Amino acid sequence: KAGVTQTPRYLIKTRGQQVTLSCSPISGHRSVSWYQQTPGQGLQFLFEYFSETQRNKGNFPGRFSGRQFSNSRSEMNVSTLELGDSALYLCASSLDGRAHADTEAFFGQGTRLTVV
Amino acid sequence: AQKVTQAQTEISVVEKEDVTLDCVYETRDTTYYLFWYKQPPSGELVFLIRRNSFDEQNEISGRYSWNFQKSTSSFNFTITASQVVDSAVYFCALSEAEAGGTSYGKLTFGQGTILTVHP
Repeated sequence: KAGVTQTPRYLIKTRGQQVTLSCSPISGHRSVSWYQQTPGQGLQFLFEYFSETQRNKGNFPGRFSGRQFSNSRSEMNVSTLELGDSALYLCASSLDGRAHADTEAFFGQGTRLTVV
Repeated sequence: AQKVTQAQTEISVVEKEDVTLDCVYETRDTTYYLFWYKQPPSGELVFLIRRNSFDEQNEISGRYSWNFQKSTSSFNFTITASQVVDSAVYFCALSEAEAGGTSYGKLTFGQGTILTVHP
């Protein structure tokens, strides 16, 4: 079956602009999580969506937001971009986002965002 | 709060050597899950293994083996007879089952270990 698809793969934006990243989960998966990966901070959890609702949120400013559609596809948006937002943004899909025996998260290849 | 520590930032070995990647975790939950992921240069995180907190049996899968010791809060990963294709960044991660809403969809990752296997 198809894996997790993230688009675009690469983006270059200017400070102050906004950006929208997209994630299509594995068919049948209803939970989508987003992570930011930087050399300094490593992999950090941004938020999780399930059935079009944000259920969990990491420690990021309000400039980072997201949404999920009825087909479980998710988008994340970063407004007023800062240089420090340059990172690899990864999304992960799982059946229901809960930690239990039948769940593991499958990751996409990520979107590499460069802010100049 | 949960925390995962991978003390080894980088490891360099020659092909066919065995290598062990260390992972130490902290959690207040009694039910939790531990994971190892591999990140090749392409960027995606590839799932390797999941272990729950009630199952301390070691696991072997081909050249890979995992040693889970609850007494020392460690979940170490050994690659036997390493190969150049094993070169990647390896992440250990923790997911808590009892934290309720604050655990949904969330993995807490270690900083990762860069493994380089030289021919």
